[in-house]
Amino acid sequence: LAKTTQPISMDSYEGQEVNITCSHNNIATNDYITWYQQFPSQGPRFIIQGYKTKVTNEVASLFIPADRKSSTLSLPRVSLSDTAVYYCLVGDPFSGGYNKLIFGAGTRLAVHP
Amino acid sequence: DAGVIQSPRHEVTEMGQEVTLRCKPISGHDYLFWYRQTMMRGLELLIYFNNNVPIDDSGMPEDRFSAKMPNASFSTLKIQPSEPRDSAVYFCASSPRQGVGYTFGSGTRLTVV
Repeated sequence: LAKTTQPISMDSYEGQEVNITCSHNNIATNDYITWYQQFPSQGPRFIIQGYKTKVTNEVASLFIPADRKSSTLSLPRVSLSDTAVYYCLVGDPFSGGYNKLIFGAGTRLAVHP
Repeated sequence: DAGVIQSPRHEVTEMGQEVTLRCKPISGHDYLFWYRQTMMRGLELLIYFNNNVPIDDSGMPEDRFSAKMPNASFSTLKIQPSEPRDSAVYFCASSPRQGVGYTFGSGTRLTVV
């Protein structure tokens, strides 16, 4: 399983765009990148998954450069309610190993008024 | 859809007692996962099932932990006997198939005194 590295914490203010970058230098050809969000006292929530270039949904965008050694989760115009821990996971969804993805410490995002 | 339902939400028990945590996955989801989260160790996968069959229990800490899935709509995680170091938040998650995002329950906060 590819090892991931992301910042331990980030601070932002309401209305700003937040970009959280995850490094995964040893990503394999069949690996996808998946992001989860966890609010206090709740279970993680799936946000977005992608393989290359750009993926966008109603919550966030995921940017993946051509070499795929990193990825950036972009949250547009954050609000106080976006304060959470964000996890980056990398794995091959067609492999049994995907079911054992490691969540790691995640990035603790604090949004301030 | 009610999502993944876990019970109880909170459990306080004395050391040595048996504890049973319960989970109802989303209907139609073939995969069910049990995770444990602590401040020290983060989110750890304990065991997962596919079509009610345990596939990988290598994350189960020791023989005091056992998990069952008697049917597609119910799973239990049992700790017998419980110890203070078992205190954690236990999450159940399910997914419709391999490789897609998981839906987590709200968790059970277990305190063993």
